[in-house]
Amino acid sequence: DIQMTQSPSSLSASVGDRVTITCRASQSIRTYLNWYQQKPGKAPKFLIYAASSLQSGVPSRFSGSGSGTDFTLTISSLQPEDFATYYCQQSYSTPITFGQGTRLEIK
Amino acid sequence: EVQLVESGGGLVQPGGSLRLSCVASGFTLSNYWMHWVRQAPGKGLVWVSRINNDGNNTIHADSVKGRFTISRDNAKNTLYLQMNSLRAEDTAVYYCARAPYYDFFRLDYWGQGTLVTVSS
Repeated sequence: DIQMTQSPSSLSASVGDRVTITCRASQSIRTYLNWYQQKPGKAPKFLIYAASSLQSGVPSRFSGSGSGTDFTLTISSLQPEDFATYYCQQSYSTPITFGQGTRLEIK
Repeated sequence: EVQLVESGGGLVQPGGSLRLSCVASGFTLSNYWMHWVRQAPGKGLVWVSRINNDGNNTIHADSVKGRFTISRDNAKNTLYLQMNSLRAEDTAVYYCARAPYYDFFRLDYWGQGTLVTVSS
């Protein structure tokens, strides 16, 4: 199975900050990498596919990059509604696997 | 509007069974592969099972293989997860999610989840 490792596990930031979350795969997954946002008690929301393509309706302050084994999710200017947990997920092979999550908290 | 609504969760004793359902609306279910993903309390997301669009190809995570069965009834717009021989470690919120035909593992819409608690 492909292991996905996110860093940091948690992050404190302020409204307006630029933040970056990193996701590393245990082997190359080319650009088969998706990102999700989850708020407490809610279902995950799909944000980014193919490492860097924004899902329709997702604000442009979100962006993704990377290929191979190293990927990043960047939020250019944090808004109050962005405080949540973020997960990366590889879609390269079965079983699909998720990172352990990065909890983004208000400083 | 795309909607996925899970039901069937609850409290069950170890060794017991449950069947989860996921009713789809706002799109044509038969055009999509479907997945179940679970999340134990306070933990991360773990993929459980997936089924292709016409139901003749399924795969399950090793942790549930032989105990869980994913199935679907496209005429009823419904996805199922039959869970047998339940264990305490199966306690989780179970989400159904859809994946478009052009990317079978891109989970673009999720249901709100249904909680399964395995305890005596």
